[in-house]
Amino acid sequence: QVQLVQSGAEVKKPGASVKVSCKASGYIFTDYYVHWVRQAPGQGLEWMGWINPKSGGTYSVQKFQGRVTMTRDTSISTAYMELSRLRSDDTAVYYCVGDYFDSGSYYNGLGYWGQGTLVTVSS
Amino acid sequence: EIVLTQSPGTLSLSPGERATLSCRASQSVSSSYLGWYQQKPGQAPRLLIYAASSRATGIPDRFSGSGSGTDFTLTISRLEPEDSAVYYCQQYGISPFGGGTKVEIK
Repeated sequence: QVQLVQSGAEVKKPGASVKVSCKASGYIFTDYYVHWVRQAPGQGLEWMGWINPKSGGTYSVQKFQGRVTMTRDTSISTAYMELSRLRSDDTAVYYCVGDYFDSGSYYNGLGYWGQGTLVTVSS
Repeated sequence: EIVLTQSPGTLSLSPGERATLSCRASQSVSSSYLGWYQQKPGQAPRLLIYAASSRATGIPDRFSGSGSGTDFTLTISRLEPEDSAVYYCQQYGISPFGGGTKVEIK
């Protein structure tokens, strides 16, 4: 079955960087985009952007441009999201999400969610 | 940037009742990209509806989506206690999520 397994919780100081990993299994990693979504405590969902695992091409929303780096290692079917210059308001659960597909067909939706990684930014 | 506005903020209904959730876009959105998600406390979100009206695998048929242009609706025809959750809409790969609608079961 499709699974996205993320790295464990992190505690960082303001100004530091964090890198979250997301290992995919159960499908061909390079066939579908991986998105990153975060959720601050008690808040709604915030979509950050995506990476195309086949080409390495990325898109990030303007708010995160210059601070977020999305990469992948196709040899181990793993996507990464690095966020730099951390602030206290970056404290959130970060999710990686795979495109939705069914019976070999791709659909426009965030279908397969990782378990989430809590990143706490505190001095 | 397209902004999605969801209403109401909270919906409190009894089991068996019908829930109607609205997602309004600041400009026209392709139906092919409009999705609905359910999130229960302490859990990751789950895709319910893609392309405005298609149910994802395993989603009960009491959930249905409709709409086009700037107005989209998620309907839960007969509420079950396990439908208590926050529901979000999003234009896939393009826009932020809406602010969410919390559905409470009385």
